Amino acid sequence: DAKTTQPTSMDCAEGRAANLPCNHSTISGNEYVYWYRQIHSQGPQYIIHGLKNNETNEMASLIITEDRKSSTLILPHATLRDTAVYYCIVRVVAAGNKLTFGGGTRVLVKP
Amino acid sequence: DVKVTQSSRYLVKRTGEKVFLECVQDMDHENMFWYRQDPGLGLRLIYFSYDVKMKEKGDIPEGYSVSREKKERFSLILESASTNQTSMYLCASSFSGRSYNSPLHFGNGTRLTVT
Repeated sequence: DAKTTQPTSMDCAEGRAANLPCNHSTISGNEYVYWYRQIHSQGPQYIIHGLKNNETNEMASLIITEDRKSSTLILPHATLRDTAVYYCIVRVVAAGNKLTFGGGTRVLVKP
Repeated sequence: DVKVTQSSRYLVKRTGEKVFLECVQDMDHENMFWYRQDPGLGLRLIYFSYDVKMKEKGDIPEGYSVSREKKERFSLILESASTNQTSMYLCASSFSGRSYNSPLHFGNGTRLTVT
């Protein structure tokens, strides 16, 4: 599995964009980048995933660098309910959808 | 919306008891997974299943077994519970087939305490 490196924690102001970085320098060509988040006392929630193109959905945008060694998850207008641990994961495609979670980034959205 | 339901939110069991954790999904997903989550250790994969009656060991299968008799249901079994199995247990499911990139959908977890 390609390992990922994320900041341990970060704060964000309510209403502002939150930019969450992730390094995955050993990613291989067929591995996707996935983002999940976990709000306290709940199971992880899928946010978005991508291979090499930037992706956007109703929750967030994912920007992947051209060399695919890093990515950024963007929450366009953070709310207090976005306070959570955010996990950047690289998927081992050959292992039947197995996901290996790292430590994640604890994001605190402040009023 | 995909729904993954775990039978219990909180469970307290005694050392040596046989414990069953049940998980049901309603989206006809082929893949199902059991993780445990502990402070400082993150989520660790215990077992997963590609299909009915199929199972694969994850990263920490010792002390656990699983059962998948029906597509929608995946059970985690602690044959003889021990205190080091006190943890949050999370079930997840996803589509398989050609779509290896199908995201996992998680339940809300079962917090198991073994005394």
